[in-house]
Amino acid sequence: DAGITQSPRHKVTETGTPVTLRCHQTENHRYMYWYRQDPGHGLRLIHYSYGVKDTDKGEVSDGYSVSRSKTEDFLLTLESATSSQTSVYFCAISAGTSGRGPYNEQFFGPGTRLTVL
Amino acid sequence: QKEVEQNSGPLSVPEGAIASLNCTYSDRGSQSFFWYRQYSGKSPELIMSIYSNGDKEDGRFTAQLNKASQYVSLLIRDSQPSDSATYLCAGDTGRRALTFGSGTRLQVQP
Repeated sequence: DAGITQSPRHKVTETGTPVTLRCHQTENHRYMYWYRQDPGHGLRLIHYSYGVKDTDKGEVSDGYSVSRSKTEDFLLTLESATSSQTSVYFCAISAGTSGRGPYNEQFFGPGTRLTVL
Repeated sequence: QKEVEQNSGPLSVPEGAIASLNCTYSDRGSQSFFWYRQYSGKSPELIMSIYSNGDKEDGRFTAQLNKASQYVSLLIRDSQPSDSATYLCAGDTGRRALTFGSGTRLQVQP
């Protein structure tokens, strides 16, 4: 298994509270991603990082921010959680170069199940 | 229109049969394609990658890519009940992230 951990694995929080999810890798891969998975929508990209302090938005970035201060850690923050952010969140990593070709194989962490009441 | 389309299923096949899973994509710039298997409550697991037109075989799995028709498929030979899962097709359009289909649920009947 790729060395990816996510914490917490489960979290229940209330609307309006800030929440931070952590992804930690031991593979020293350059690229890290945050996805959310919802029934009927599949996996959708929230944000990704292509290096320390280098991040960019994905398809569903509103209401989320990220930070990457070290190669191994990628944090996802919900500034003020809403019920629509109830989901399963997956972190993924890739050794990708330009993001094309065989080097963009992505490997997923175990996921965090977040419930916003 | 979603960039990557899959039939949600369920696709039901008897044990020992060939399961055929299909995926179409709309972005002709897509270069690489991936098949992930996801068991209920678990994370996606990469099982096949394909970058060139034609077939790629790995054990009981064969991935097929036809860029002219914008079509990707996964064949699972000698299907086993343990293959019952949701299979996700993903394409790399070069924007550093993958675009996923919604997945096809496969049920292998003993």
